[in-house]
Amino acid sequence: EAQVTQNPRYLITVTGKKLTVTCSQNMNHEYMSWYRQDPGLGLRQIYYSMNVEVTDKGDVPEGYKVSRKEKRNFPLILESPSPNQTSLYFCASRPPGAYEQYFGPGTRLTVT
Amino acid sequence: SQQGEEDPQALSIQEGENATMNCSYKTSINNLQWYRQNSGRGLVHLILIRSNEREKHSGRLRVTLDTSKKSSSLLITASRAADTASYFCATASYSGSARQLTFGSGTQLTVLP
Repeated sequence: EAQVTQNPRYLITVTGKKLTVTCSQNMNHEYMSWYRQDPGLGLRQIYYSMNVEVTDKGDVPEGYKVSRKEKRNFPLILESPSPNQTSLYFCASRPPGAYEQYFGPGTRLTVT
Repeated sequence: SQQGEEDPQALSIQEGENATMNCSYKTSINNLQWYRQNSGRGLVHLILIRSNEREKHSGRLRVTLDTSKKSSSLLITASRAADTASYFCATASYSGSARQLTFGSGTQLTVLP
């Protein structure tokens, strides 16, 4: 089944403890992206990647890192999480030449 | 940056009625898309309308686009309880070499049985 997967789906952590949220897609998409969703703010883009080893900042990149070593994987790294990074995170990918995106199921992160 | 603004923020209707949601945006776009999000789930693409199109249909969905007013509407006809979800508009434009999507804050639709 063609899909975008994220792990973990739920995570509660403490301030300053490094964490990684994984994202993987099996559709051979070149473009991948991370968003965070907060009440009343819709989805805001954190980082995106046009292809392997090509990443760029979105609208809210502060406090986040990404890497794209393989086409299928695009992990999101929080080196030192803070409570204001408590949010619902979505990974998405997009077929070449298209605009519509395919979303993962989301990761709900709570930082205390 | 948040480009699209949906209106209303929340809408509650009876099953069988039509639901209309509106989206306004600020800058020129290549296309506009609508997505649905069921509670706690990822977004699902519903329909895309290009900037040179005025109306598009897909099943019970009808989307209009008025580029002069920078606005779009999504009409769901003969609504069902299963249509209960949040609906987001997303505007697509080029940022550098990338096709980028900018999402609005969404309309929460509740369809009562």
